[in-house]
Amino acid sequence: EPEVTQTPSHQVTQMGQEVILRCVPISNHLYFYWYRQILGQKVEFLVSFYNNEISEKSEIFDDQFSVERPDGSNFTLKIRSTKLEDSAMYFCASSEYGGPNTEAFFGQGTRLTVV
Amino acid sequence: QKEVEQNSGPLSVPEGAIASLNCTYSDRGSQSFFWYRQYSGKSPELIMSIYSNGDKEDGRFTAQLNKASQYVSLLIRDSQPSDSATYLCAVPGGAGGYNKLIFGAGTRLAVHP
Repeated sequence: EPEVTQTPSHQVTQMGQEVILRCVPISNHLYFYWYRQILGQKVEFLVSFYNNEISEKSEIFDDQFSVERPDGSNFTLKIRSTKLEDSAMYFCASSEYGGPNTEAFFGQGTRLTVV
Repeated sequence: QKEVEQNSGPLSVPEGAIASLNCTYSDRGSQSFFWYRQYSGKSPELIMSIYSNGDKEDGRFTAQLNKASQYVSLLIRDSQPSDSATYLCAVPGGAGGYNKLIFGAGTRLAVHP
C-alpha cells in the first residue's frame, strides 16, 4: 500500500542550527502538508503546498520556515535557525486532491529535538 | 478560527464492549469530518471519513454525524486491547480550498482485557 515516508525518524540539533526534514509523498498525490505536534499537545497545521507554491500557511510558519519540492518526489521542510520551542514531532502528509472532502495521509513523522 | 472539541479521557472500556468517542465542532458550515487513530509516539492514521448526516460503517467502526447538533462520533464495536490509542477528530479549515485540517486534542481510549 502506498505510504508517505519521512526521513530522518529522529533528528537532534543544536539551537541556532539549520535542519531539513524530508518527505516522499504518495506518488499520485498533488497536495502536500506539514504538521507538527509538540509533546502532549494537538496536531497543528504548518503549511500546505500545491503546484509548486504555498497555498496556505499558519501563524507558526514564520520566516524561519520554508518548504520546497526540489525534484519530482521529495518535499522538504527547512527550519533556518532552530529554537528550543521547535522541538516536536513533524508530520508530512499528502492528499490526492484538495477541497473539504480530501483524505490526507500522514507519514511516520520526524522527531526533532533542539538542545 | 474553527474549533474542534473532544473529551481528553481516558475512556476505559472492557474488551468486547462498545467504545463511544465524541467530537463537537464550532463551524456550522463544516462539510466533512475525519477520525484518525494515533498510537503513542506514532503518526495519525486515517480510519474514517464522513460527509453526510447519519451513520457510516466500516468493519467494527461506525461514524455518526449530526450536523444540526454539530457533533460527530465514532463507535468501536467489540473493542480490542489493540484499539487502545488516542482518537483524533479533524475538520477541514482554512481559506479557499480547505487545504488544512484542524484537529481536536484527542480522546485517549484504554481497552482492558
